[in-house]
Amino acid sequence: GQQVMQIPQYQHVQEGEDFTTYCNSSTTLSNIQWYKQRPGGHPVFLIQLVKSGEVKKQKRLTFQFGEAKKNSSLHITATQTTDVGTYFCAGRKGAQKLVFGQGTRLTINP
Amino acid sequence: GAGVSQTPSNKVTEKGKYVELRCDPISGHTALYWYRQSLGQGPEFLIYFQGTGAADDSGLPNDRFFAVRPEGSVSTLKIQRTERGDSAVYLCASSLWGGDTEAFFGQGTRLTVV
Repeated sequence: GQQVMQIPQYQHVQEGEDFTTYCNSSTTLSNIQWYKQRPGGHPVFLIQLVKSGEVKKQKRLTFQFGEAKKNSSLHITATQTTDVGTYFCAGRKGAQKLVFGQGTRLTINP
Repeated sequence: GAGVSQTPSNKVTEKGKYVELRCDPISGHTALYWYRQSLGQGPEFLIYFQGTGAADDSGLPNDRFFAVRPEGSVSTLKIQRTERGDSAVYLCASSLWGGDTEAFFGQGTRLTVV
């Protein structure tokens, strides 16, 4: 079945450093979504990527969708303490279920 | 409603008991998802409704788990003969329709089986 793998599982950085998390799917995806979950909270939608090779930016966050539509990345430039949380990618094939990766937990030293 | 509402927020039950978890999606959202999340893990897909019908129930772990959405709005996840391994946060999400619309999550129900 469809699987979505995410690395690294944990990342600890100093405030101001950059952060990247990577997502790989076992199958070609129709689209990929990214969510952020704060400690004790629920996943909150960040963005969706649909097109092959698509790049989207939200302030300090840059999201990429691979050419083959099987991988994606999220890069945060100059992390701030408000970036703390777990970042999940979630892939979908057609109108099927949304499958989540295991997440990357980001902690930051102020 | 303004967001996805899940009740109860916490549920403690004894092993072997039956539990029902309720999800009120955002009004007008046709797609509804149930996920289960254990500590330190990503949301694990359980079942996906499109309207009243289960479009994909391949994530239900066994026949103790069942979910309904009789009128295409509120959904109930039912777990029979609960086991300690069922302890987790059960998340519900809804989206306008399936396909490529974002999913809005509820706060979850934390189920503890003792």
